[in-house]
Order: sequence, then C-alpha cells, then structure tokens
Amino acid sequence: EDQVTQSPEALRLQEGESSSLNCSYTVSGLRGLFWYRQDPGKGPEFLFTLYSAGEEKEKERLKATLTKKESFLHITAPKPEDSATYLCAVHYLAYSGAGSYQLTFGKGTKLSVIP
Amino acid sequence: NAGVTQTPKFRILKIGQSMTLQCAQDMNHNYMYWYRQDPGMGLKLIYYSVGAGITDKGEVPNGYNVSRSTTEDFPLRLELAAPSQTSVYFCASSSSWTSGKANEQFFGPGTRLTVL
Repeated sequence: EDQVTQSPEALRLQEGESSSLNCSYTVSGLRGLFWYRQDPGKGPEFLFTLYSAGEEKEKERLKATLTKKESFLHITAPKPEDSATYLCAVHYLAYSGAGSYQLTFGKGTKLSVIP
Repeated sequence: NAGVTQTPKFRILKIGQSMTLQCAQDMNHNYMYWYRQDPGMGLKLIYYSVGAGITDKGEVPNGYNVSRSTTEDFPLRLELAAPSQTSVYFCASSSSWTSGKANEQFFGPGTRLTVL
C-alpha cells in the first residue's frame, strides 16, 4: 500500500478554470509535507512546506493546505505556464537511523492547462 | 550561484560496465541526496549524506555506492550496471535539518541513464 497517494494522476484544465490537486498520506508522525513542481526533463522545483494541520501557504496562483490526512494544492485561474507535474512528499518519524532522513514521494499529478 | 549541477546529462552503458555520476552544489549545504525516478513511480532515495565523510543508505541502495569527501561533491558510483538501473537520477541538497524537521531540497537537472 502506498504511503503517499496523489490524485488525480492527470488533470486537464482550461485556462482560468480553477481546481485542486490532492495528496493523501497514511503515515503517522508527520513532520512535514512538501510540494514540488517538475517540468519535463528537469529536476523538481520546491514550492511549499507545510508542517502542521491547518497550515496554509500561497504563492501566486497556488495555495497549499494541510489536514491530518491530506494536503490540497489549489490552483486559481491557471495559465498554460502552470502545466507541469506536481509532486507531493512527506517526512515522518518512521524509525531511527536511515528512515528518519527520508522523504517519501507520491507519483505526481500531471497538470495540463489548455489556452 | 549554479545551485546543484550534475554530469553527465545522458549516458548509455552496457551491462556490467561501471560509471560515476557526478553531483556538486555551491550552496554550502551539509545534506545531499541521490534519488532515482522511474516512469510512473515516485522518487526513491538511494543514498544520502549529512556531511563530509558521513553517508547512509536510503530506500534502494543495492548496486550503488557513494562517497563524500567534500561538502560540495557527492558522486554516485554504479558497479556492474544492470538493466534495472535504467532510470533518471537526481541529486539534491538541503541545509541541515533543525528540530527534527526537514528543509526543502534543491534538485539538480538529472542524469538519464540507459543500461543495455
């Protein structure tokens, strides 16, 4: 069972059509949830970190929120340049040693914004 | 600042060959990481380092080795390449985690490796 599940796998929006991407997690002891944007052929680019339930962060047309079981990435009035794959990752208290330095990534949501 | 740089960008290896993927960062970060990304899968941590001379295994370390002799460089070594190691490899770095909380990681552009 995946510990981090992102939905939908792919999303097509018309320019200006607002929507949300979901990242649900089953881990306990969450220490942080991260959102990244990845363009084709490039490395992930950091967007947000959320550390506790109820926390919200905004950047331009993007707003990330966090509950005890999931996070949403809200995209308001998207533009074609927002097209990318959005990755979610969690850091949690798994066990001492290697696991404590590990981020667990979801498989991503591929967003396409059509002009 | 160049951030995190990786070389080469692309490489094709034959089964059984060895190679080193290079990674360097100029942000004076103590923490560095190697990930692999396979189609339709999330990024998987191969190895990480919390400082020069200190490395540890991640989730998928088999078939790989690392070393960290300086703060700036974190090479990944593939010995006896296998088709299962065909993937895109990303190096990342971050500042030291404080109070047990992870800081954002900065990723390089990736190395696309094919093993035939």
